[in-house]
Amino acid sequence: DADVTQTPRNRITKTGKRIMLECSQTKGHDRMYWYRQDPGLGLRLIYYSFDVKDINKGEISDGYSVSRQAQAKFSLSLESAIPNQTALYFCATSDPRTGRYEQYFGPGTRLTVT
Amino acid sequence: AQKITQTQPGMFVQEKEAVTLDCTYDTSDQSYGLFWYKQPSSGEMIFLIYQGSYDEQNATEGRYSLNFQKARKSANLVISASQLGDSAMYFCAMRGGGGYQKVTFGIGTKLQVIP
Repeated sequence: DADVTQTPRNRITKTGKRIMLECSQTKGHDRMYWYRQDPGLGLRLIYYSFDVKDINKGEISDGYSVSRQAQAKFSLSLESAIPNQTALYFCATSDPRTGRYEQYFGPGTRLTVT
Repeated sequence: AQKITQTQPGMFVQEKEAVTLDCTYDTSDQSYGLFWYKQPSSGEMIFLIYQGSYDEQNATEGRYSLNFQKARKSANLVISASQLGDSAMYFCAMRGGGGYQKVTFGIGTKLQVIP
C-alpha cells in the first residue's frame, strides 16, 4: 500500500462549490504539506503543518483552508472553488529526523473547476 | 529569498547515453539542501537524490549523481546510461535553513529518452 494517499484522485466541480481534498500517511512523519502544480510554474506551497497544533500558510494560501485531524491526516478545503484553482494538488510529508527533509508525495489529485 | 532556476524546458538523450540536467540556485542561507525529483507521465513525484550544502562529496544514488558546484551555485543532475523509463519531468528543489526549512521548486525539465 502507498505510504501517502490522496482522495479523490480526480474531481470535477463547479464554480462556487466547497470541496475537500484528503491526505493520509502511514510514514509516521510529523510534517505535512499541500502543494499545487500548474504547467510551467513548478510546485507552489499552499499550507504546511509541523504537527497537529501547528499549521502555517504557504505562498498561495488565499482561497484555501486546511485541517490537521491527526498526525496522519491533513485535509485541504476550497471554500468556494473558482476556475483558476484548476490544478494538480499534491500532499507531501517529511521527517526532520533524517536531517535532509526530503519530501514524500502522494499520487496527486487532479481538480477541475468549471 | 531563495530561487531555483532550470533553464532547459526539454532535453533529448539517446538510450544508454548520459545526460546532464541543469539547475542553479540562489539563497542567502549558509545551511541548505538540494533535491531532485522525478515526475513520470503518471504524475507522481519521486524523490531521487539529496545534497547538503556542507557535504564535501557529490551525492550519488545508483545511476543518479548530483554535480554540486557551491561557488557557482549549481546542482546539476547527471543520469548515466539512460533508460526509456527515465523519460519524465525532473524538478530541482532547494530547502532553506531556519526553523521552517522552506522548500522551493524549479519549473522542471522534460527529458525524453530516444531508443
